[in-house]
Amino acid sequence: SQQGEEDPQALSIQEGENATMNCSYKTSINNLQWYRQNSGRGLVHLILIRSNEREKHSGRLRVTLDTSKKSSSLLITASRAADTASYFCATDAGNYQLIWGAGTKLIIKP
Amino acid sequence: NAGVTQTPKFRVLKTGQSMTLLCAQDMNHEYMYWYRQDPGMGLRLIHYSVGEGTTAKGEVPDGYNVSRLKKQNFLLGLESAAPSQTSVYFCASSIGRRTGVTEAFFGQGTRLTVV
Repeated sequence: SQQGEEDPQALSIQEGENATMNCSYKTSINNLQWYRQNSGRGLVHLILIRSNEREKHSGRLRVTLDTSKKSSSLLITASRAADTASYFCATDAGNYQLIWGAGTKLIIKP
Repeated sequence: NAGVTQTPKFRVLKTGQSMTLLCAQDMNHEYMYWYRQDPGMGLRLIHYSVGEGTTAKGEVPDGYNVSRLKKQNFLLGLESAAPSQTSVYFCASSIGRRTGVTEAFFGQGTRLTVV
């Protein structure tokens, strides 16, 4: 069964706007990670946030983690056409595995 | 630095045929994984390995076998392919740490169709 559930399933915004997607999970975790997948390609790691961290930044990406609500959000600021992709969250629950959500499909309109 | 390399990239099989997918990583990673990805879904773990000579079942292991005879290679076998195994298969690797699974590096995927 999937640990993470992303919300929304799909998001379409104008270039330059901010994009926010959310991830909820079920069990306690060591860390939560976000990945990007361009159509038909392998996944690329974006950012990792540990269970004792609340917020993390990397370039135009901002990730928050609320362990009390078992949820995380990924914010992409000043979106670009190249940000069009599917975004997945994955959780490490301590059993050598990453458990994946179904992803959010992000479309950036020019 | 090639990272994670999967072969083949595409394959069409007839029902009942067998095949082996090869994953090779050159980053000296301990952990390796095989996933399948079906339309509109996230990744589902088939089998994984936390070190040379060790393998374990994931969420959807039925119909698949794996081997990790060398640290850099992780093989996924389909003994008797079924149409339900039509999917995109991804291999991934990561450093093994006591603090948990860190960044996973992915191959480019194998698109398998079983007719």
